[in-house]
Amino acid sequence: ELKVEQNPLFLSMQEGKNYTIYCNYSTTSDRLYWYRQDPGKSLESLFVLLSNGAVKQEGRLMASLDTKARLSTLHITAAVHDLSATYFCAVDALDTGNQFYFGTGTSLTVIP
Amino acid sequence: DAGITQSPRHKVTETGTPVTLRCHQTENHRYMYWYRQDPGHGLRLIHYSYGVKDTDKGEVSDGYSVSRSKTEDFLLTLESATSSQTSVYFCAISEFDEQYFGPGTRLTVT
Repeated sequence: ELKVEQNPLFLSMQEGKNYTIYCNYSTTSDRLYWYRQDPGKSLESLFVLLSNGAVKQEGRLMASLDTKARLSTLHITAAVHDLSATYFCAVDALDTGNQFYFGTGTSLTVIP
Repeated sequence: DAGITQSPRHKVTETGTPVTLRCHQTENHRYMYWYRQDPGHGLRLIHYSYGVKDTDKGEVSDGYSVSRSKTEDFLLTLESATSSQTSVYFCAISEFDEQYFGPGTRLTVT
């Protein structure tokens, strides 16, 4: 059974601090996705990581992928309140017809 | 939003009644997906389609059926709704290695 595990599940942090969200997965894959979801809203694509060693940055968020360790990280630098949301990682497992498997999500609250 | 709409956006129904949710896309995407989102589970794939009349089961397909008679429409049917199918349902399309999601349908089965 393919598993995608995120930790922490809940994260409360002060503005200006740094933190990392981890996403571990159990299958061979070189495609990893990060999404953001605001309460009551749909999912918004943040990053698409398509190879080992891929690193992408957008504003205060940076995502990386290590396919050998089956690990992706989402690093938050100098958090601001607007980053409060739930973040999901998803894996596109090989040979599954474009099926995505999602982690359970990390609920981030940034405290002013 | 990749031209994806879902209808209805909210629905309350009684146990045992049939329910059909519609996903409509305007950009001729081949792949379409239905997910459900529940607290503590993230998103889980119900069914997906890779073309007209071509569908396959996902991780949590029991109790659900789908149909795709036109490229633009992907229907999800709950033949006899149960309380365990209370959830938020998202449709998605796939384009260039990414998936884009519709606005969601909140379904409550009483």
